[in-house]
Formats: sequence, structure tokens, C-alpha cells
Amino acid sequence: QQQVKQSPQSLIVQKGGISIINCAYENTAFDYFPWYQQFPGKGPALLIAIRPDVSEKKEGRFTISFNKSAKQFSLHIMDSQPGDSATYFCAASGNNAGNMLTFGGGTRLMVKP
Amino acid sequence: ETGVTQSPTHLIKTRGQQVTLRCSSQSGHNTVSWYQQALGQGPQFIFQYYREEENGRGNFPPRFSGLQFPNYSSELNVNALELDDSALYLCASSLRRSTTLGYGYTFGSGTRLTVV
Repeated sequence: QQQVKQSPQSLIVQKGGISIINCAYENTAFDYFPWYQQFPGKGPALLIAIRPDVSEKKEGRFTISFNKSAKQFSLHIMDSQPGDSATYFCAASGNNAGNMLTFGGGTRLMVKP
Repeated sequence: ETGVTQSPTHLIKTRGQQVTLRCSSQSGHNTVSWYQQALGQGPQFIFQYYREEENGRGNFPPRFSGLQFPNYSSELNVNALELDDSALYLCASSLRRSTTLGYGYTFGSGTRLTVV
């Protein structure tokens, strides 16, 4: 059962552009929504995370937008750089949801110079 | 401060064999979780250990088992290997049992297991 759906599967953006990745979840017990960045041959690394009591969180060029009523959240990468080329995963967890991270299927981002 | 270390980095096993993967958690972390990441997919939760006890399990059969040691390092054991077990196995450690308190996981680079 896929509880977190992520789109698109792949994304090509020009350098300096905005990359947008979307996720939707089903389990209303989720209350922690992190984004992970994974480079080939490496494990996922925490990028930014949000809780449902805020609608937006910004850290540098990375912003999470959260819509609790729609059960959707998204990652925006401003001024995308070739070094941002990686696979991005949204995830969700909650104390009443088994306490583990449930990941989306991933988005492979390529930023062209 | 060291991060999460996994060994071996790559492994090839034959169907039906058994395998043990190892993980050293980040210094001070007391919770270890194991995830399976099939090629082109997101990681899937296998189980979590907190203070040497299993603290949750995903939808994996009993032939997937684990241990956590007093120094918080951990092992993942898989018996009767199947071809579909081929994947990247990730270990993640954290400071607290609950990720919802804001303590994100620190992932290792994984062990790439190939079953032939």
C-alpha cells in the first residue's frame, strides 16, 4: 500500500530555474514530513522537514509548501544548480502511524547547465 | 563525530543462502532502523531497534531478522534469499525513538545486495 505518492518521476530543469516536486499522502496520522536528497551510491540525506502546524518552511533555496486540507506538500528548489541533480524523496511519519518513515517513489532531478 | 557506517558495501549471494549486513550507528544515537531500497524506488521500512529491542516492523517476512547490540550497532539477517531481495539495504540511526520530535534519521550509504 503506497501511502505517499510522489510526482513527477523525473524532472529536467535549466540552471537558474525552479524545480517543483509534489507529494500527496493518505494517512492523517502523519505529522512529520521530511524531504531527502540522494546522490548515486549514497544514502538519503535530510534536506528540510515540516510539521502540519505551518504552511511553509524555507531554508536557503529550498522551500516546503504544506496543504493540510488537501493532504499535499511540495518541495520548491529556487535557482536550481547542476549540483542539485539528484534523486529527491518525500517522506512522512507519525507517532500513531507506526513511527517509521514512509517514502514516496522518488523524483530524479537533472539540472542542465 | 562519525556518521553511520555500513558493511560490506557490495555483496553477491546465491538464492537460498543467508546474509548478514552490519551497521555502526552515529555516535550517541540509540535507535537504528533498516530500510530496503529496490532499484528506482523509495526506501521501504523493514524494522527499527531501540535500546536492543524491536520497536516496529514493516511488511517483511520473518526471514528478515535483526539485532541491536549494547553499543547500538546493528545487524540485519536475511535467510533463504530470494531474487527479489536484491536491493540497497540502508541503515539509519537517530537520537530518539520518535522521528516526529524533530530528530531526523542519519542514513548510511547502504549495502548493495545482489542475489543470483
